[in-house]
Amino acid sequence: GAVVSQHPSRVICKSGTSVKIECRSLDFQATTMFWYRQFPKQSLMLMATSNEGSKATYEQGVEKDKFLINHASLTLSTLTVTSAHPEDSSFYICSARSTSGSPLTPSYEQYFGPGTRLTVT
Amino acid sequence: QKEVEQNSGPLSVPEGAIASLNCTYSDRGSQSFFWYRQYSGKSPELIMFIYSNGDKEDGRFTAQLNKASQYVSLLIRDSQPSDSATYLCAVTTWTEKLTFGTGTRLTIIP
Repeated sequence: GAVVSQHPSRVICKSGTSVKIECRSLDFQATTMFWYRQFPKQSLMLMATSNEGSKATYEQGVEKDKFLINHASLTLSTLTVTSAHPEDSSFYICSARSTSGSPLTPSYEQYFGPGTRLTVT
Repeated sequence: QKEVEQNSGPLSVPEGAIASLNCTYSDRGSQSFFWYRQYSGKSPELIMFIYSNGDKEDGRFTAQLNKASQYVSLLIRDSQPSDSATYLCAVTTWTEKLTFGTGTRLTIIP
């Protein structure tokens, strides 16, 4: 259980174009999904929190108009990198929050998708 | 002071031995604690989570949490070469956002 998929796994695009990345929770419903970016030899950096049916919450320093997030259903969130530039080249990873435990003591675990490697030329 | 600290390693352990990975955190309000494994070029994989003080065992993995000392550890018994990876410690508070350590690179020597 708790499988998260991402598509595409790799994408190469030209500078100035836009790229859409999809994140799906395959066997559970995720009201909350997260988008991360990871540069080589660095830790994951949270970009935004995506809640189903509402606007995403962006971390400080992340441009919301450049990184458009849509969470239209309980199993799908999308990240669109608009007007991509070479400095946007990175490994983009989504995660979905799964809820377990009892109603009084719920617990939340985040499961990560396989990531999307974006290269902007 | 970083919110979540890990020894960056590399930590080298002979095959079959116990690997011990440590993590400290600064926010006493931290509620949930996670260990992720990340192979080079891949995304993190959740291997253990723990919420209460004490030990939690799952197969060859044991997570240990000491909230008084703000310390969480991961023990890997009977280490295998396939365990060679970067291990990320992560904690959440009431916000549910994961705060990651920088990771410990573990190498299992055959």
